[in-house]
Amino acid sequence: DTAVSQTPKYLVTQMGNDKSIKCEQNLGHDTMYWYKQDSKKFLKIMFSYNNKELIINETVPNRFSPKSPDKAHLNLHINSLELGDSAVYFCASSQSTGLAEKLFFGSGTQLSVL
Amino acid sequence: AQSVTQLDSHVSVSEGTPVLLRCNYSSSYSPSLFWYVQHPNKGLQLLLKYTSAATLVKGINGFEAEFKKSETSFHLTKPSAHMSDAAEYFCVVSPPGSFQKLVFGTGTRLLVSP
Repeated sequence: DTAVSQTPKYLVTQMGNDKSIKCEQNLGHDTMYWYKQDSKKFLKIMFSYNNKELIINETVPNRFSPKSPDKAHLNLHINSLELGDSAVYFCASSQSTGLAEKLFFGSGTQLSVL
Repeated sequence: AQSVTQLDSHVSVSEGTPVLLRCNYSSSYSPSLFWYVQHPNKGLQLLLKYTSAATLVKGINGFEAEFKKSETSFHLTKPSAHMSDAAEYFCVVSPPGSFQKLVFGTGTRLLVSP
């Protein structure tokens, strides 16, 4: 019954590896997002998709590649992981791209790069 | 550029006493403003939002916030704190434009003691 679910919850990996985080929403929303929360709790948007189309790409290294196979899913693939990629990654969704839309967040994926 | 400043990184209150979490915004336009709450190991949840309607906004769990244009503030208040209110609170501004790209404050950790 979880509205926005992301897996895995924890991910520990070595530098240089490639990893993926999956996200699914069962709310019927059109828009999905990836946010990164650093060690100081600062949240910053990375990507946004609307109906499987990329609409926001915030100066994220091209090692990060989002993929949306359908509007209920937005996965995040990261190549050649670096120490600085360690953070908590949150998936979110909203009904549409309206300015004041409520975002529904997943519970986060804590990525630790060793 | 849009931004928000949360004036306190930590706020400590006793259960049953009022809560005040301060937020100032910077915006060239009439902004949309939000407060989100993050409980430990959980995703963020919307508490309330301001979208240029009533300046006093009521949210969930007894929280409310008042938009004061003259002071560029959007402080979050609650008359009586509960232990369950202990969490991280984020003030958020939504810049104008076609797509939602939330800008988060750095967060305020609310500690509630018995």
